[in-house]
Parts: sequence; C-alpha cells; structure tokens
Amino acid sequence: QQQVKQSPQSLIVQKGGISIINCAYENTAFDYFPWYQQFPGKGPALLIAIRPDVSEKKEGRFTISFNKSAKQFSLHIMDSQPGDSATYFCAACSGNTPLVFGKGTRLSVIA
Amino acid sequence: EPEVTQTPSHQVTQMGQEVILRCVPISNHLYFYWYRQILGQKVEFLVSFYNNEISEKSEIFDDQFSVERPDGSNFTLKIRSTKLEDSAMYFCASSEAPGQAYEQYFGPGTRLTVT
Repeated sequence: QQQVKQSPQSLIVQKGGISIINCAYENTAFDYFPWYQQFPGKGPALLIAIRPDVSEKKEGRFTISFNKSAKQFSLHIMDSQPGDSATYFCAACSGNTPLVFGKGTRLSVIA
Repeated sequence: EPEVTQTPSHQVTQMGQEVILRCVPISNHLYFYWYRQILGQKVEFLVSFYNNEISEKSEIFDDQFSVERPDGSNFTLKIRSTKLEDSAMYFCASSEAPGQAYEQYFGPGTRLTVT
C-alpha cells in the first residue's frame, strides 16, 4: 500500500514534443505528490508538486494532472528540450511521513 | 539560493569499516532526512530526524546505522560496520518545518563504495 508505481521506465521524445510520465498510488492517506528531476551524479531536485484539492497544476512547461478517484497523477513536459533529459521520480507522502518514491523514468529528448 | 551540502562526494571503504557521511542542511530547516539510492534504482527512505531525535526510520535503518546532529549545522549518518550491499548514493534532505515537511530539498549525495 506504500508503493508508488511509475511508468514508463524510459522514454524517448523528439525535441518540441510532449513527455508524459504516469504514477499510481494505493494509499488514500497520501496528500502531497511531488515530482523530482535528477541529473546524473546529482541529487533529486524538487520540480513541481500538487495536493489532491486541485486536479491540475502548471509551472512553465511542466504540468501535473491529478485524478483523485483513479489514484493517479502524471507529469507533462510541454515543448520538451534536450536539457530536460534526466531521470524523473514521482513521490507521495502524507503529513510528516517520509516520501515514497516511484522507480523513476529516464527521459531522453532527442533533436 | 540556500542548498543542502554533503561531504565527501565519494567515499571508498573496506567491508567492516565504519563510515560517517556528513550533511549541512539548509540553515532554517528543522526536519532532516537520509535517503539512499542503489545504482539505477529508486530513492529509498532511511531515517528522519526532528528536535534532536529520530522521528521515523525504515527497515533498512538497522542497528548498524545511527544519526547525529553534533552541532547546530551538521547532520551525520554513521554506518558502523559497512557491508558490500551498503554501496549506494546517500542523500541528505531537509525541510523547513513540520507543517511544511513536504518540501524536501536534497543534497548532491555521497557515493559510498564498499569493497
């Protein structure tokens, strides 16, 4: 019940295209859903996060869509750029509990 | 912009040796965490620390592990007798306050190699 399932494991997108990464969770107590971006050799960096009282949050080219009834949330990267190439992790937590991470998606944006 | 720092960036040690990984959290943050990431795998929670005591720990955080805040700025993770399977990236993270423990900021990590 503590798992967060993430897909796909890897993704190749053309420059300018839309990258979509999906996550699903079971624990209905989760109330915070962040996405982290990680470049090789670096720590995860908080990218964008959403709480379940809204269905969508947009920050620049990054959008989280949240479906509470389906217990799913996704990250959309619009106009994907080669600089977006990184590993993306979804995560979830509730209250002060630790973050539970998905397994990560390795995104490659090719020109 | 304030950031979490970690030292060393890479630590090589022999099996059975003790290692201490160091972190300096963001200065006004009150919650501290250690996570690890085995190569190519997901980030896993080890322990959280608040008000000078462990607030939560995972099953990974067994008696071989300990954490300490020896002064007002450092936060350390000690592994008493390292095993081969302890080889991983270890990330320290911090967050501002209990009510905002969600927004965790990660350091660059320490790569621990146990030979």
